[in-house]
Amino acid sequence: KQEVTQIPAALSVPEGENLVLNCSFTDSAIYNLQWFRQDPGKGLTSLLLIQSSQREQTSGRLNASLDKSSGRSTLYIAASQPGDSATYLCAVFSSNDYKLSFGAGTTVTVRA
Amino acid sequence: DAGVTQSPTHLIKTRGQQVTLRCSPKSGHDTVSWYQQALGQGPQFIFQYYEEEERQRGNFPDRFSGHQFPNYSSELNVNALLLGDSALYLCASSLEAYEQYFGPGTRLTVT
Repeated sequence: KQEVTQIPAALSVPEGENLVLNCSFTDSAIYNLQWFRQDPGKGLTSLLLIQSSQREQTSGRLNASLDKSSGRSTLYIAASQPGDSATYLCAVFSSNDYKLSFGAGTTVTVRA
Repeated sequence: DAGVTQSPTHLIKTRGQQVTLRCSPKSGHDTVSWYQQALGQGPQFIFQYYEEEERQRGNFPDRFSGHQFPNYSSELNVNALLLGDSALYLCASSLEAYEQYFGPGTRLTVT
C-alpha cells in the first residue's frame, strides 16, 4: 500500500522567503506525482504534474523535483507572497493499483 | 470550457439518512474518481468509475456506492449515514485516470 508523507505539517515564513516543501512515498511504482494547492474549505487546484520519467517541472515561481528511486519530491516556491498561504498537497498515482494517494499536506502561512 | 462541477455545495443530514452527491466531469474526460477529505487530512480515495463500471475501490464500506452515466457524469451515494461521514467529498475527472482535475467539493455535515 502506498504511503505518502509530507514534512513539515505547517510552515510560517516572512514574505519574500523561498519555500521548500517535502514529500516522500513508499512505493516507487508510480505513473506520476502531482502537487496541489487547497484553500480553506475549497477544492484542489493542480499546480504541477511530474511524469515518472521526468526529474522536474517548472511553472512560474514553482519548481518541483522528483527522485523516484528514493521516493522523494520537493516543491520549491520562490519569493513567497501572502497569496501563497494555503495547504499544499502531494499525491502519487500508483501504477500497481491505478489509485491516487495523498499526503496530509503542508499548511503554509506567508506573513506580510 | 467548464471544469469539474459538483452539487450540492453544502448539505446537512441526520444519522441514518441517505445522501446522493453529483459530479459532472471536465469536457472530454471519461473517468471520475471520488475522494473523502476529513478535516485536517489529505483526501482518501473512495472509488473510480470508467465506462460506467467501478474500476477501483478504496477501503470504504459498502454503504458507499456510486454510478456513472453514459454522459460520464457520476453520483456518489452514502447509506445509513454516520457522524464520521462528515467530510468534504471531492470529485475528480481525468482521461483514462492520469492527470486528475478536481471539483470544488461538497461539504457534508451529519448531525
